[in-house]
Amino acid sequence: AQKVTQAQTEISVVEKEDVTLDCVYETRDTTYYLFWYKQPPSGELVFLIRRNSFDEQNEISGRYSWNFQKSTSSFNFTITASQVVDSAVYFCALRATLQGAQKLVFGQGTRLTINP
Amino acid sequence: GAGVSQSPRYKVAKRGQDVALRCDPISGHVSLFWYQQALGQGPEFLTYFQNEAQLDKSGLPSDRFFAERPEGSVSTLKIQRTQQEDSAVYLCASSFVLAGGNNEQFFGPGTRLTVL
Repeated sequence: AQKVTQAQTEISVVEKEDVTLDCVYETRDTTYYLFWYKQPPSGELVFLIRRNSFDEQNEISGRYSWNFQKSTSSFNFTITASQVVDSAVYFCALRATLQGAQKLVFGQGTRLTINP
Repeated sequence: GAGVSQSPRYKVAKRGQDVALRCDPISGHVSLFWYQQALGQGPEFLTYFQNEAQLDKSGLPSDRFFAERPEGSVSTLKIQRTQQEDSAVYLCASSFVLAGGNNEQFFGPGTRLTVL
């Protein structure tokens, strides 16, 4: 079975602080994909990043960076110099590939509040 | 181009009523997914179509839930004899299937169903 755990339910920081959102996953598949989505108050899930299990290189996109570590089954997300517009619920998700599975398994989400 | 659209955006139903939720995927996207998101939770998979074929319906919670995609484009999620526990946001997502399966899902804004 696949499982994603986001232990941080809510995080609140002051603008310009750095913040890291944790994600731990479980799967028996050797090939899988990990995702981060942002859900602003409007409700629509916005895709942020996809990583496959064979690529452990960390990635940076502007103020966003992701740290993928297979040894600890973690895929953490860091926002540098946070801004109020970053306030949203963030979801980590896993897609296993066994038997052609296509569905995403989501974590519970982390509600991030950036205070001015 | 246009994203995934869903209608209605909000639906209030009396317990026992039938409801139908519509999803228009991104043009050309082969795969279509339905997810259910309860308040304060992550989305949970309901069902998956590839073109008109429903390949996975393992997430449908009961036989009151039925989904169809007769022409491989628009999809309808129908809930019969609604119950209060059906109250949730229903999210539709579509993706363009690529060789190797490395594809992201694009989400619609969701339909918020409230059962009184």
